[in-house]
Amino acid sequence: EIVMTQSPATLSVSPGERATLSCRASQSVSSNLAWYQQKPGQAPRLLIYGASTRATGIPARFSGSGSGTEFTLTISSLQSEDFAVYYCQQYNNWPPSTFGQGTKVEIK
Amino acid sequence: QVQLQESGPGLVKPSGTLSLTCAVSGGSISSSNWWSWVRQPPGKGLEWIGEIYHSGSTNYNPSLKSRVTISVDKSKNQFSLKLSSVTAADTAVYYCARASQLCSGGSCYSAFDIWGQGTMVTVSS
Repeated sequence: EIVMTQSPATLSVSPGERATLSCRASQSVSSNLAWYQQKPGQAPRLLIYGASTRATGIPARFSGSGSGTEFTLTISSLQSEDFAVYYCQQYNNWPPSTFGQGTKVEIK
Repeated sequence: QVQLQESGPGLVKPSGTLSLTCAVSGGSISSSNWWSWVRQPPGKGLEWIGEIYHSGSTNYNPSLKSRVTISVDKSKNQFSLKLSSVTAADTAVYYCARASQLCSGGSCYSAFDIWGQGTMVTVSS
C-alpha cells in the first residue's frame, strides 16, 4: 500500500497570503495525484487531478505541481472561502487508492 | 448533471451488517466510470473502501476486503455497500463517489469528480 504523507498538519495563513501544502508518496505515483478541499459538514471537492490540472470551475489561484513522490498544492492568495482541510490522493497503484491525512488551512 | 445520494440506516448494532445504497441521477451508472465508497470517521481523514464498474467488476481495500461487498443494480441506476461484522471502529460518514478518467494534455488520470453528500453511520448497541 502506498502511504501518502501531508505536511504540515495545520497551516496558519492570513487572508491574501500564499499557502503551500506538501504531499509525499512512499513510492512513485507518477502524476496520478489529486487534491481535494473539504469544508466542515461537506463532502470533499476535487480541485486538481493529474498532479497539476485544475478541475472544472476551480479558480486559477489553486495550482498543483510535482510528480513521482513529491507534490505541492499552492493557493496564491487565500480567500475567506479557502479555509478548509485539503487532502491529496493517489490512484496510481491500487487497490487501495490512498489519501493523505489532510492539511488544515486556518486563519492566522 | 450527475448527482449521487446515499441512503441507509444511520444506526447499526455491533457484529451486524452495514448496508448503504447510492442512487445515481442525471446520468447512467453504465457510463465509463468506476463507482466508489469512501468513509471518514469523526474528526479523521478519508479511507477508500472499494469500487465497482457497471459490469460488476470490483476492487476492494485489502484492509476491509474480507468484510466488504459492493454490488450494482443497473435497473435502478444505483450501487450498494455491505460491510459485515461491524464494530465501533466502523462508525463514520460514508460517501459514494464517481471515479472518472479526466484527460489533459494527452494523458488521462483517475479522480473522484462527483461525491454524494455523505451519510453518518453509527455502530452502537
